[in-house]
Amino acid sequence: SQQGEEDPQALSIQEGENATMNCSYKTSINNLQWYRQNSGRGLVHLILIRSNEREKHSGRLRVTLDTSKKSSSLLITASRAADTASYFCATDSFTGGFKTIFGAGTRLFVKA
Amino acid sequence: GAVVSQHPSWVICKSGTSVKIECRSLDFQATTMFWYRQFPKQSLMLMATSNEGSKATYEQGVEKDKFLINHASLTLSTLTVTSAHPEDSSFYICSASGPLEDQPQHFGDGTRLSIL
Repeated sequence: SQQGEEDPQALSIQEGENATMNCSYKTSINNLQWYRQNSGRGLVHLILIRSNEREKHSGRLRVTLDTSKKSSSLLITASRAADTASYFCATDSFTGGFKTIFGAGTRLFVKA
Repeated sequence: GAVVSQHPSWVICKSGTSVKIECRSLDFQATTMFWYRQFPKQSLMLMATSNEGSKATYEQGVEKDKFLINHASLTLSTLTVTSAHPEDSSFYICSASGPLEDQPQHFGDGTRLSIL
């Protein structure tokens, strides 16, 4: 089964509001990454957080990682219509060889 | 930096045709390239991992003879879907990382393959 599971599956908010997406995983990881995908396009890397880090910021993005709960969250502040996309978390593990496993994704709709 | 170019963007062809998709890292050395398949509104499913100069490692359930992967240089990997059939229709995405092992993957824009 997929390593990372996101919730909610879909989220609809108004422009200017904050959007929070959560990701849970099952086994030990080295890194956790968040990606964004616009419809019909490839993925864009947003942020990487290492297993020994707890929080990371990049512009309007804030990512937290709780390895004890095997979970991460992505917060987008002051959302814009252009933030509408699917967001995926991906866990990197070096166990048995390097592998990245993607979660099911959260589809975010930001209404203008 | 870290641009990955994937070509073609979309392909429509007849059943039985073989289709080759190219993935190039334009400004960095991609020691590892990944090939994914994505169904509508679903996540990415890893098909195979390839390291430059060695055979690709396929995920369970992925047919090696159906999906031929070549990673002949540090900037190019190709995926060939041999004798494609309608059930092979999908969105295929490549990614590349390197030169260090724990660097993030950079994705191509994907190839939409439609087999008639």
